[in-house]
Amino acid sequence: GAVVSQHPSWVICKSGTSVKIECRSLDFQATTMFWYRQFPKQSLMLMATSNEGSKATYEQGVEKDKFLINHASLTLSTLTVTSAHPEDSSFYICSGTGTVDNEQFFGPGTRLTVL
Amino acid sequence: QKEVEQNSGPLSVPEGAIASLNCTYSDRVSQSFFWYRQYSGKSPELIMSIYSNGDKEDGRFTAQLNKASQYVSLLIRDSQPSDSATYLCAVADSGGYQKVTFGIGTKLQVIP
Repeated sequence: GAVVSQHPSWVICKSGTSVKIECRSLDFQATTMFWYRQFPKQSLMLMATSNEGSKATYEQGVEKDKFLINHASLTLSTLTVTSAHPEDSSFYICSGTGTVDNEQFFGPGTRLTVL
Repeated sequence: QKEVEQNSGPLSVPEGAIASLNCTYSDRVSQSFFWYRQYSGKSPELIMSIYSNGDKEDGRFTAQLNKASQYVSLLIRDSQPSDSATYLCAVADSGGYQKVTFGIGTKLQVIP
């Protein structure tokens, strides 16, 4: 399958700071990338959909000014959590699609802990 | 609101048995269906995709789709302890943008 990387794999930050997470498709061009959040023992929650070169589409209830998404190229999307608070602590996972039939390939995830 | 429903489990099966995981979905016009495996603390990994009614086999895995009943299943033959994970059913939204809706996942435990 296609390979997606994420960096960093984990991050600990102080409340009020901003954190940037990178998502890269390594061996395919991801026309669309998705950002998910997963709390313990819960399923994936889609936060936003981003298409290269256009603004991200956010799901209902997700603050677009807090979770800044940039999809600058067909292989790179970034998620910036601005003014992070402890309730933002979660497992953030990106995925990319661009191959066939809506198959999404997931990055390894970033575990964010906000102190 | 498009829904994908799964029994959260846990589903316990003995090693070597067949594990049967089920999923129903609400969007009648969905065309693409996926099964992902997620180990604890890890991200999902695509196991199978299925687009047409009937069965699709890949090694020990068989996906089954019945669009009339809005039902998709995953069979795991000769279950191994390494198959112990949460299995997520995902259904592509018919509205475009390649979004999928995930079920809550079924936790499978294979007992040695």
